[in-house]
Amino acid sequence: DIQMTQSPSSVSASVGDRVTITCRASQGISSWLAWYQQKPGKAPNLLIYTISTLQSGVPSRFSGSGSGTDFTLTISNLQPEDFATYFCQQTHNFPWTFGQGTKVEVK
Amino acid sequence: QITLKESGLTLVKPTQTLTLTCTLSGRSLTYGGVGVGWVRQPPGKALEWLAIIFWNDDGHYSPSLKNRLTITKDTSKNQVVLTMTDMEAVDTATYYCVHRPRSSVGAFDVWGQGAMVTVSS
Repeated sequence: DIQMTQSPSSVSASVGDRVTITCRASQGISSWLAWYQQKPGKAPNLLIYTISTLQSGVPSRFSGSGSGTDFTLTISNLQPEDFATYFCQQTHNFPWTFGQGTKVEVK
Repeated sequence: QITLKESGLTLVKPTQTLTLTCTLSGRSLTYGGVGVGWVRQPPGKALEWLAIIFWNDDGHYSPSLKNRLTITKDTSKNQVVLTMTDMEAVDTATYYCVHRPRSSVGAFDVWGQGAMVTVSS
């Protein structure tokens, strides 16, 4: 199985900040990396797929980058509605696997 | 608009079998490239992918649960059914039905609201 390791596990930030979350795969996953946002009590919501493609309707302050095994989700100009937990996922090989999540909290 | 809705008994006893149904609306299960699967999340924990079945009947399972899982689809009802045998307390979680639109996306663009499954005697 491909292990997905996110860091940090939590980050404290303020509105207007730039937040960066990292996801590392235990082996190369080509471009098959997605990011999701999850708010308490709700289902996850797809933000980005194939490393950097923004899902329709997702604000442009979200961006993704990386290659090979190291990937990044960046939230620029953090907004109040962005406080949530973020998960990465690889769909390069079965079993598809998720990172453990990164919680973005209010500073 | 594509939507997913989970249904099924959500309180099961240890050793029983869980059966969850996902009803897809707005897209046919036979549409080229479509996959419908299941992801679960224990309270306060991370997401875990369980299984997926594609438009061409190709199915895949989490190896750690493969012996307990079966995923099938009923194209006449546009439904996907997940069964998990021999349930135990650690299987208590919210079970989400998920939609993968096509291979070039490789991610779940639509999620159901989730079914909170409790395993308790």
